[in-house]
Amino acid sequence: IAGITQAPTSQILAAGRRMTLRCTQDMRHNAMYWYRQDLGLGLRLIHYSNTAGTTGKGEVPDGYSVSRANTDDFPLTLASAVPSQTSVYFCASSDGPGSSTDTQYFGPGTRLTVL
Amino acid sequence: DQQVKQNSPSLSVQEGRISILNCDYTNSMFDYFLWYKKYPAEGPTFLISISSIKDKNEDGRFTVFLNKSAKHLSLHIVPSQPGDSAVYFCAASGTGAGSYQLTFGKGTKLSVIP
Repeated sequence: IAGITQAPTSQILAAGRRMTLRCTQDMRHNAMYWYRQDLGLGLRLIHYSNTAGTTGKGEVPDGYSVSRANTDDFPLTLASAVPSQTSVYFCASSDGPGSSTDTQYFGPGTRLTVL
Repeated sequence: DQQVKQNSPSLSVQEGRISILNCDYTNSMFDYFLWYKKYPAEGPTFLISISSIKDKNEDGRFTVFLNKSAKHLSLHIVPSQPGDSAVYFCAASGTGAGSYQLTFGKGTKLSVIP
């Protein structure tokens, strides 16, 4: 069982280009999440999906979009990348929502550099 | 406004001694708390959690203590081992707030010195 996979592992991108980060989970979890991790700022939620077909905005959603066409996949798209989107991006999944003891499990991350 | 605070960016501990990592929160609606451990170039991994109906949860060398009146939790690692060197994130969620999303602290980098 792979758990959560993310692709690519790393990417250097020119500003203004479009980029999609891929995330796939094989745990049949209902909920999926995208975070970015920046030095000194911890993990910040970008977007989430409580179940297939639904999405919601997190703490820092601007410049990002997501879709959840099925249970397993939750791609994150940067329509027109900017240097401030240089970060490490983590996808996560959980059994939730609805559980008071919901635990999120994380993928290995994608390191994105926007020049 | 930061709802989950880890005020110590780093901590160094001698191997075999106890490591104590602290976390404070401000939102009284939080009722579930988790600790994640993160190695460089890897995703965070779940370590241990505690529900607000408890004040202590233990799993091997790891124990989490919750003081609801002080809105404070701590992670104790004993004995500390060099492999415990990592960044530790405290996280919280609140069913009462109508959201199951996690709010993370900024992390504490633990260095266990052999």
